[in-house]
Amino acid sequence: GAVVSQHPSRVICKSGTSVKIECRSLDFQATTMFWYRQFPKKSLMLMATSNEGSKATYEQGVEKDKFLINHASLTLSTLTVTSAHPEDSSFYICSARFGGTYNEQFFGPGTRLTVL
Amino acid sequence: AQKITQTQPGMFVQEKEAVTLDCTYDTSDQSYGLFWYKQPSSGEMIFLIYQGSYDEQNATEGRYSLNFQKARKSANLVISASQLGDSAMYFCAMREVNQAGTALIFGKGTTLS
Repeated sequence: GAVVSQHPSRVICKSGTSVKIECRSLDFQATTMFWYRQFPKKSLMLMATSNEGSKATYEQGVEKDKFLINHASLTLSTLTVTSAHPEDSSFYICSARFGGTYNEQFFGPGTRLTVL
Repeated sequence: AQKITQTQPGMFVQEKEAVTLDCTYDTSDQSYGLFWYKQPSSGEMIFLIYQGSYDEQNATEGRYSLNFQKARKSANLVISASQLGDSAMYFCAMREVNQAGTALIFGKGTTLS
């Protein structure tokens, strides 16, 4: 299957700083990328959907100014958590899809963010 | 309203036995897709099985099978001959149409021990 990577896998930062998480599709062109957030032993909550070259579509309740998503190329999407606070600590997972809406989504390994 | 419902927060199974993980869904679409993923403690999401709404036969992948009952809107996962490595969190998901196209929406998950 297709491979999606995330970097970093773990990050610890101080409150008030910004953190950037990268999501890359390694062997295919991802026309659509998704960002999910997961609290411990909880479900994956869709944060936003981004189509290459256009602005991300955020789910209700997700702050656009806090979670900046950029999908500048067909292989890279970034999620920047701005002015991070301890409540932003979570597991962030991206997934990527090539082509049509019925194609499979491939998941990255996730990034564990801890804000002190 | 919850689109995907997994009513079993935790399940136990003995090695070599079979176990059924429940999933019900809610949609008014005629065409939809249902997925099961496994998430071990490492956090990676592992795709297990897929069932399309128009598929007449239940999907099977090795020890995994999906008991699809369309009228009941249920898509239960059956794991046969359980192994120690099957201990993980299992998520049922449905492909849903949203503003940006479609995305996977997940249930709350079931922890299998």
